[in-house]
Amino acid sequence: AQSVTQLGSHVSVSEGALVLLRCNYSSSVPPYLFWYVQYPNQGLQLLLKYTSAATLVKGINGFEAEFKKSETSFHLTKPSAHMSDAAEYFCAVSPSGSARQLTFGSGTQLTVLP
Amino acid sequence: DAGVIQSPRHEVTEMGQEVTLRCKPISGHDYLFWYRQTMMRGLELLIYFNNNVPIDDSGMPEDRFSAKMPNASFSTLKIQPSEPRDSAVYFCASSRRLAGLSTDTQYFGPGTRLTVL
Repeated sequence: AQSVTQLGSHVSVSEGALVLLRCNYSSSVPPYLFWYVQYPNQGLQLLLKYTSAATLVKGINGFEAEFKKSETSFHLTKPSAHMSDAAEYFCAVSPSGSARQLTFGSGTQLTVLP
Repeated sequence: DAGVIQSPRHEVTEMGQEVTLRCKPISGHDYLFWYRQTMMRGLELLIYFNNNVPIDDSGMPEDRFSAKMPNASFSTLKIQPSEPRDSAVYFCASSRRLAGLSTDTQYFGPGTRLTVL
């Protein structure tokens, strides 16, 4: 069984400030972990994924995430927020070796203030 | 390279009517997924196919829901009869199989926003 908890359904940051979106997972087997972004009225777009290689994963648009097994976390960060980063972000987990059984978190809405 | 294509993008119908949602996966992908997104329940996997065969439909909420994949480039999700509580955004996603048993990333379509009055 696997699950994902995203802490904070809404996060607001100022433009240029650090973005930190939290994700903790639970999995009975080594996980694959994903971050997706959803812009208004659009589908989900993959930001980055962890598949048991490097624990620090770099994605698109300047985002990165670090897999920490001891903390069962996979937090998403970006050093400097841009207005275009405003969107909803979803963390997802699947058993390693399979991106089929994705379990999504409840999402975090990111607002970027001017 | 075209992504996952879904139609219609918006559907408004009355309770009791049949609704059919359509999806064209990315060419070469052999997995297809149907998801439903609501405020209350978030993103839920309804069913997925591998090589046009349904593998896991445990997420399909009721017998009113059915899904088919007659060929590698087309799938439908049908609701008959529709109810107001079916109002949601329905996403289709596809992925391809990698070496061994591993599967590549899922790529999502833009979704169909269904409103049942």
